[in-house]
Amino acid sequence: GQQVMQIPQYQHVQEGEDFTTYCNSSTTLSNIQWYKQRPGGHPVFLIQLVKSGEVKKQKRLTFQFGEAKKNSSLHITATQTTDVGTYFCAGAGYGGSQGNLIFGKGTKLSVKP
Amino acid sequence: EAGVTQSPTHLIKTRGQQATLRCSPISGHTSVYWYQQALGLGLQFLLWYDEGEERNRGNFPPRFSGRQFPNYSSELNVNALELEDSALYLCASSLWTGGTDTQYFGPGTRLTVL
Repeated sequence: GQQVMQIPQYQHVQEGEDFTTYCNSSTTLSNIQWYKQRPGGHPVFLIQLVKSGEVKKQKRLTFQFGEAKKNSSLHITATQTTDVGTYFCAGAGYGGSQGNLIFGKGTKLSVKP
Repeated sequence: EAGVTQSPTHLIKTRGQQATLRCSPISGHTSVYWYQQALGLGLQFLLWYDEGEERNRGNFPPRFSGRQFPNYSSELNVNALELEDSALYLCASSLWTGGTDTQYFGPGTRLTVL
């Protein structure tokens, strides 16, 4: 079945450093979504990428969808302590399963002030 | 606008018992998804309901079941509880338009099996 792999599992950075998490799917995706879960909280939607090669920015966050629509990345420039949390990518397939998402295991980001 | 609500917040059961978890979606949303998040692990897809029907099911045994009511709220039932069922159970809702829509998560129910 469809699998979504996410690396790294953990990332510890000094405040001000950059951070990147990568997501790879075993199959071509119809779209990919990114969520953030703060410690003790629940996942919150960040963004959805649909088009091949799409790049979207949200302030210090840059999201990319690969040309083959099988991989994606989230890059945070100059991390802040407010960026702490676990970042999940979630891929959607095609056809009847398009409505549900397959989540990666997440990358847990810690930021040292 | 109220978000996704889940009850109870915490649930403590013993092995072999049954647990019932409840979810109310955002008003106007017709799809409800259930996920299991065990400590240190990612989100494992359990079930997806839309318009009262089960649309898809994750790789979980049959003792995990659920239903969606006419008002689109949903129940997740876990029978014959095992220790490894201890996890945070998250419910999400969306307005399914045939594609893949943003999922809005509730705060979760923390299930502990002793």
